[in-house]
Amino acid sequence: GQNIDQPTEMTATEGAIVQINCTYQTSGFNGLFWYQQHAGEAPTFLSYNVLDGLEEKGRFSSFLSRSKGYSYLLLKELQMKDSASYLCAAPVSGTYKYIFGKGTRLKVLA
Amino acid sequence: GAVVSQHPSWVICKSGTSVKIECRSLDFQATTMFWYRQFPKQSLMLMATSNEGSKATYEQGVEKDKFLINHASLTLSTLTVTSAHPEDSSFYICSAVRDSEGYTFGSGTRLTVV
Repeated sequence: GQNIDQPTEMTATEGAIVQINCTYQTSGFNGLFWYQQHAGEAPTFLSYNVLDGLEEKGRFSSFLSRSKGYSYLLLKELQMKDSASYLCAAPVSGTYKYIFGKGTRLKVLA
Repeated sequence: GAVVSQHPSWVICKSGTSVKIECRSLDFQATTMFWYRQFPKQSLMLMATSNEGSKATYEQGVEKDKFLINHASLTLSTLTVTSAHPEDSSFYICSAVRDSEGYTFGSGTRLTVV
């Protein structure tokens, strides 16, 4: 079967760094996505990893280890507007259907 | 970038009535669109894959006669929730794949059945 696990909630302070972990089990691997979702809104794309290593994009970076079935999203210089849910998602092999994790609700405190 | 428009953003309907949600790709042709449902504090769960010009493919446990999907053109897919009940209240969201960034999501529809 296919499964994606990530922590339910995290809290961090404005200006700090936070790492949100995601572990996955998939049949086949077509990459891993991270999305940001504010309450009541659609998810927005943050990153896509298909090769091992770190992808950096401004304040956000994403890491992938295919051998460990593990990814993390790193958010630096946290801002209040970063308070949101962060979703880890993986395509079902051979399709465009995605399996989503339950999302990690990040609360940034002043 | 790719834009997917979804309407309405929110709707309140009476129990037993039907509600239609539209998902339109504005600047690209989408032969395949996906309909997801999200309950509060839960993950997005795929309901069905909408295929232009053919029948939708429903995920296990999703009633095809209750959630009618029509994909009559390359830019429009509709989801109709028939005989809606309070337990159908949820956030419905469509998506389409255009490029290497994966899904482009519609803005979502908050359905409340009273």
